[in-house]
Amino acid sequence: EAGVVQSPRYKIIEKKQPVAFWCNPISGHNTLYWYLQNLGQGPELLIRYENEEAVDDSQLPKDRFSAERLKGVDSTLKIQPAELGDSAVYLCASSPDSGSYNEQFFGPGTRLTVL
Amino acid sequence: GNSVTQMEGPVTLSEEAFLTINCTYTATGYPSLFWYVQYPGEGLQLLLKATKADDKGSNKGFEATYRKETTSFHLEKGSVQVSDSAVYFCALSVSTTDSWGKLQFGAGTQVVVTP
Repeated sequence: EAGVVQSPRYKIIEKKQPVAFWCNPISGHNTLYWYLQNLGQGPELLIRYENEEAVDDSQLPKDRFSAERLKGVDSTLKIQPAELGDSAVYLCASSPDSGSYNEQFFGPGTRLTVL
Repeated sequence: GNSVTQMEGPVTLSEEAFLTINCTYTATGYPSLFWYVQYPGEGLQLLLKATKADDKGSNKGFEATYRKETTSFHLEKGSVQVSDSAVYFCALSVSTTDSWGKLQFGAGTQVVVTP
């Protein structure tokens, strides 16, 4: 079974430029998560999707971040414009549903460097 | 709010030594508890979990017991190998309206095992 796929794995951009990250979850997983992981810290949830609906985006900085999950499968996370403080690893995870006891399966992440 | 505190690293051990990583939590309701591991260059993987008090999760020689009275979920392994070198994250998830399906992570503990 294929795992969660993310691309690109690494991205270097100048500040104020836009950037987008793509995630393909495990087939059949209805719930998709985007996490932000700063260096030396644990991941923090940005947004959670149930199928194509964003059901928890309270931690997403909506002035510059946006996300979509068209057709309830793949998802894209966008930052426009990027700031120096956005340098981090962006993780995508998926699970069959969002029960608190359910395992979340993580992709390898996209490491973003903003210069 | 919900939070997870785990011991700071790095923890450096010799092969075959005993490993303990302390994890304590604060949560409303009854959380499920998890240990995730992140090997170099890879995504987070679920190592073990426990969904109710006194449950013991175990996998690959690692164990952790859900202790409600001390709000702890310490990770242990009796004899570590070089291949156990990784970053270990303690996490919780609660089934409340504002936290449904959300994993709250600790900061992570880096473990380095030397031959």
